[in-house]
Amino acid sequence: AQSVTQLGSHVSVSEGALVLLRCNYSSSVPPYLFWYVQYPNQGLQLLLKYTSAATLVKGINGFEAEFKKSETSFHLTKPSAHMSDAAEYFCAVSPTQGGKLIFGQGTELSVKP
Amino acid sequence: GAVVSQHPSWVICKSGTSVKIECRSLDFQATTMFWYRQFPKQSLMLMATSNEGSKATYEQGVEKDKFLINHASLTLSTLTVTSAHPEDSSFYICSARDPGRANTEAFFGQGTRLTVV
Repeated sequence: AQSVTQLGSHVSVSEGALVLLRCNYSSSVPPYLFWYVQYPNQGLQLLLKYTSAATLVKGINGFEAEFKKSETSFHLTKPSAHMSDAAEYFCAVSPTQGGKLIFGQGTELSVKP
Repeated sequence: GAVVSQHPSWVICKSGTSVKIECRSLDFQATTMFWYRQFPKQSLMLMATSNEGSKATYEQGVEKDKFLINHASLTLSTLTVTSAHPEDSSFYICSARDPGRANTEAFFGQGTRLTVV
């Protein structure tokens, strides 16, 4: 069975600081991994995805994530936080790209001025 | 990317009534759609997988008779919450995949906020 664990339900950073949101997965098959962002009362927007191509994946809004098989991790980073990055972030795993998703618990990112 | 639209965005209903939520793929045909439920400050939980022209596949613990799913066309899936109760109040989100486009992820609707009073 596949599962996702996001470390830290809430992360707070200062504007301009590095953003690091942690995600570890478990999967018996090569996984597809995703990071989504959710703003209040809205659906999910895809930030980036890992599909067994490059291990370093670049997404929208300056975010990127690195797939590390040895660590079963797919942490999300952004060099410099912006106020508009404040939102809920979800890591998700799926056996197929368009299949059902198993979500992590979510991490709320706060950005302080 | 492909567009998935949900309607309504929010709905308030009385306890005991039924509510229908629509999920449409606007610019592609979706043979498979997914329905998720999200409680406040929590993650998304998959409720069921909706397959066009066949019965939905429900996740363990989800009541089939309470959450009726119909996927009668390639662009529309509906979720009906029957005899709604306050504990059914939640944020419901659908997603759909475009099988005609290789190597693409599922796209999400904007969600429906259901409040049962």
